[in-house]
Amino acid sequence: GAVVSQHPSWVICKSGTSVKIECRSLDFQATTMFWYRQFPKQSLMLMATSNEGSKATYEQGVEKDKFLINHASLTLSTLTVTSAHPEDSSFYICSARDLASGVTDTQYFGPGTRLTVL
Amino acid sequence: GQNIDQPTEMTATEGAIVQINCTYQTSGFNGLFWYQQHAGEAPTFLSYNVLDGLEEKGRFSSFLSRSKGYSYLLLKELQMKDSASYLCAVMDSNYQLIWGAGTKLIIKP
Repeated sequence: GAVVSQHPSWVICKSGTSVKIECRSLDFQATTMFWYRQFPKQSLMLMATSNEGSKATYEQGVEKDKFLINHASLTLSTLTVTSAHPEDSSFYICSARDLASGVTDTQYFGPGTRLTVL
Repeated sequence: GQNIDQPTEMTATEGAIVQINCTYQTSGFNGLFWYQQHAGEAPTFLSYNVLDGLEEKGRFSSFLSRSKGYSYLLLKELQMKDSASYLCAVMDSNYQLIWGAGTKLIIKP
């Protein structure tokens, strides 16, 4: 089946630093990748939709200058949390839509990245 | 390897009850999640089980047996709006989420 990986799986950083999270589709091509964040026992909140070769579409309330998204290839999207603060501590999850699935909305989810900002 | 199994698709009738099963084999266990996802929308959290037993929340209940590596999501009094995909995910010993492929639930009048 389709596999999505994320790196790193967890990261601890100091306040004010930037953190980059990678999302890769390992065995399929993904024109669209989604970035979510999740607080404990809460729903995944969609942050942005990332399309290969174009600018990401951010959800209302998500600062595009703070959460930089780059979807440089059909298998890789990156999320950079710039000038991270403790309130950015969360579980970040990406998902990828299989190009071959066409219009069906099947998303494959990554294992998540736990970010802790001290 | 780590694995989550759930049926690909299920069909049920409005007003009826449906049980969606999920079996798992993971490296460690730190809880099992159920999510509902309507087409084109982000998944919505339904339940989190970390101890054995049944947890009821309105029309939805979730059951867990850690010894059997098994969970189910029970939906009662089905409504048309319950037509969605239901995702089972297990958090392993590294606090990583292992996702099932999802079960597409079709509700018929």
